[in-house]
Amino acid sequence: EAQVTQNPRYLITVTGKKLTVTCSQNMNHEYMSWYRQDPGLGLRQIYYSMNVEVTDKGDVPEGYKVSRKEKRNFPLILESPSPNQTSLYFCASSGGNSPLHFGNGTRLTVT
Amino acid sequence: KQEVTQIPAALSVPEGENLVLNCSFTDSAIYNLQWFRQDPGKGLTSLLLIQSSQREQTSGRLNASLDKSSGRSTLYIAASQPGDSATYLCAALTSGTYKYIFGTGTRLKVLA
Repeated sequence: EAQVTQNPRYLITVTGKKLTVTCSQNMNHEYMSWYRQDPGLGLRQIYYSMNVEVTDKGDVPEGYKVSRKEKRNFPLILESPSPNQTSLYFCASSGGNSPLHFGNGTRLTVT
Repeated sequence: KQEVTQIPAALSVPEGENLVLNCSFTDSAIYNLQWFRQDPGKGLTSLLLIQSSQREQTSGRLNASLDKSSGRSTLYIAASQPGDSATYLCAALTSGTYKYIFGTGTRLKVLA
């Protein structure tokens, strides 16, 4: 089954403790991206990647890092999380002219 | 900078009604426009994708149109059902970028 898999689904952590949210897709898509969704602000793009070793900033990249060492994986790294990064995070992928396929989301709480 | 707006923010209709959801974008140089459905606590599911060269796309009871000159897209839902209740989002991919800009969505409730 074609899918984008994010882990974990829920994560509660403390300020400053490094964390990684994983994202994997099995559709051989070149394009992958990360979004955060906040009430009243909608979905905002954090980072995207056009292919292996090619990444670029979206609209809200501050405080986040990504890497794309393999085509299928695109982890999101928070080196020093802060409470304002509490949000619902989505990973998505697409290939060619196909629609964006989204993962089920990761709800992050930073206390 | 591309901005995407969806009005209304919420809509409540009786079952069986035909309805139109609106999406406006400020930069007409788009590569494509997509409509998504999001159920509470879930991810987004793609409904329709319209390439910049197309005027509309249809899937079952759904029809999406695109008018780049006026910066508008509409999602038409025919014979609405309670199972259509969800939040509907549109997203524009601006030409020359790889950034998707999302609207804040229309929360639809179809009453049985």
